[in-house]
Amino acid sequence: KNEVEQSPQNLTAQEGEFITINCSYSVGISALHWLQQHPGGGIVSLFMLSSGKKKHGRLIATINIQEKHSSLHITASHPRDSAVYICAAQKTSYDKVIFGPGTSLSVIP
Amino acid sequence: EPEVTQTPSHQVTQMGQEVILRCVPISNHLYFYWYRQILGQKVEFLVSFYNNEISEKSEIFDDQFSVERPDGSNFTLKIRSTKLEDSAMYFCASIGTGTGYTFGSGTRLTVV
Repeated sequence: KNEVEQSPQNLTAQEGEFITINCSYSVGISALHWLQQHPGGGIVSLFMLSSGKKKHGRLIATINIQEKHSSLHITASHPRDSAVYICAAQKTSYDKVIFGPGTSLSVIP
Repeated sequence: EPEVTQTPSHQVTQMGQEVILRCVPISNHLYFYWYRQILGQKVEFLVSFYNNEISEKSEIFDDQFSVERPDGSNFTLKIRSTKLEDSAMYFCASIGTGTGYTFGSGTRLTVV
């Protein structure tokens, strides 16, 4: 069983739509990461969460530790948001991260 | 903002050749990692490195792989005799005290 799952696997949205990507994990964690990967391949860290909610611009990440679930929301989506969004779990501080399979987002003008 | 730098961005090598992938982590970070992503698959952990030694390695990290920090700034991943299945994107990452993960932009390795 995969330790980190994401849904949906693929997502197509119209520009301006509100987008939600979900992540569930089966391990105890010290932190949950949301990452972005563009077609060129580089990985950019968006959020590191251990509780509650974080916001950066149009991106919002939430986590429910008891339910082992996190969500990434994008408000007023834009074609430049098109990328793969990856959830990754970190069991302890300074530990490796366990990556989810990623959600491929395409935002159409 | 500090960056993790990886070189080269793309390397093509003949099967059986040795390759060295280089990373310059953020200067005050102490924990270093290599991950790889085969095309179309999720990112997988290879190895973690702390205090000049391997702290954890995955099943993928067999005797063909080695890591070292030769000069206190560079962090290298060596593949001794490359195989076709080593073709992947390789990411370096580092963590410092009280900071999150910072990933490098990756090296795309193509074995022909």
